[in-house]
Amino acid sequence: DTGVSQDPRHKITKRGQNVTFRCDPISEHNRLYWYRQTLGQGPEFLTYFQNEAQLEKSRLLSDRFSAERPKGSFSTLEIQRTEQGDSAMYLCASSRRGTSGTDTQYFGPGTRLTVL
Amino acid sequence: SQQGEEDPQALSIQEGENATMNCSYKTSINNLQWYRQNSGRGLVHLILIRSNEREKHSGRLRVTLDTSKKSSSLLITASRAADTASYFCATSGSNTGKLIFGQGTTLQVKP
Repeated sequence: DTGVSQDPRHKITKRGQNVTFRCDPISEHNRLYWYRQTLGQGPEFLTYFQNEAQLEKSRLLSDRFSAERPKGSFSTLEIQRTEQGDSAMYLCASSRRGTSGTDTQYFGPGTRLTVL
Repeated sequence: SQQGEEDPQALSIQEGENATMNCSYKTSINNLQWYRQNSGRGLVHLILIRSNEREKHSGRLRVTLDTSKKSSSLLITASRAADTASYFCATSGSNTGKLIFGQGTTLQVKP
């Protein structure tokens, strides 16, 4: 257990439905990241928050995806009008900004999304 | 998009043998990290090596970094069945600290 929790662990939904995932980072960590991982691949970066500010978004994050981190604590990732191609593991990670080159990211267990 | 490649894609060894995995990347980095992932689960951080370091040890793990060749290797000595997992290298090169992962090496250690 890394101290990063995600909920739910599994989500099965029908195409066209909206889904929302939650991530609770390690409490003193000011940086939070979302990644997506498909079968047999390494995780791919989606978006990054420093405190409550969303500072970077990948081009992978289409208009149907939105992420928030109110008050700089937990974060939510919402996918609207899900498509079968959204089926993946969604991973959250947090870190505390350290001196240059020393940030270690701690990952949650992930939310596995299946879109039927 | 993936940062680079990992080699081999799959590795099968006997318990007690050493396992070596290689990672290549494309752009300049601040640090390189190695993670382990057991089937269908989250990633566990193993070791971080900064761009100005050449070698680092942690228990049975040894990581090397060659920035001139843009490559790194992870050596696991005296492997155990419990080391069976996928191993990913990830590079960090921006101020945001975002990680760019390789495609991973799947390691099977047979008892």
